[in-house]
Amino acid sequence: KAGVTQTPRYLIKTRGQQVTLSCSPISGHRSVSWYQQTPGQGLQFLFEYFSETQRNKGNFPGRFSGRQFSNSRSEMNVSTLELGDSALYLCASSLAGPRGGGNEQFFGPGTRLTVL
Amino acid sequence: GENVEQHPSTLSVQEGDSAVIKCTYSDSASNYFPWYKQELGKGPQLIIDIRSNVGEKKDQRIAVTLNKTAKHFSLHITETQPEDSAVYFCAASKSRDDKIIFGKGTRLHILP
Repeated sequence: KAGVTQTPRYLIKTRGQQVTLSCSPISGHRSVSWYQQTPGQGLQFLFEYFSETQRNKGNFPGRFSGRQFSNSRSEMNVSTLELGDSALYLCASSLAGPRGGGNEQFFGPGTRLTVL
Repeated sequence: GENVEQHPSTLSVQEGDSAVIKCTYSDSASNYFPWYKQELGKGPQLIIDIRSNVGEKKDQRIAVTLNKTAKHFSLHITETQPEDSAVYFCAASKSRDDKIIFGKGTRLHILP
């Protein structure tokens, strides 16, 4: 079974631009979560989607948004990029059901975003 | 909201010795505590987890202990090997519906 895939793997943008990252979960997984990983802050939760609906949200500004499609693939968008948005963005899928997760998260390799 | 503190941030141990990583959490309602291992260039991978109705869980060289009263849990790796070198994250979640909050990670170096 194929793992979680993320595209692109590397991205360089300049301040003020916007970016869209893509995540394809493991087949059969309906929950997709996004995390930002930085050396100083570790892994920070952005949001979780289940059945095309945002189910949980972290403490990030509205510039960070996401969506999930009917095939469970998910995209994350960051508008008006800032230098501090440079990070590794990780996507994770799980077998979480309609009433929640608490289950194993399967992570993709991440997208390394650099903002200049 | 939930806060997870993890110590130490870096740990170096001699190959064959044991390594211990400790975490504390703030929300007494937390009841699911996974540990993830992240190798260079890869996403984190679950290595062991424990739920609040259990005090200890072991899987070969890896064990996790949970003290609900003190709100802390620990990862123990015995007979460390070079392939154990990685970054380890602890995490906590309040319920099956809630998000998982991660600690800031511990970089473990196994010295030859």
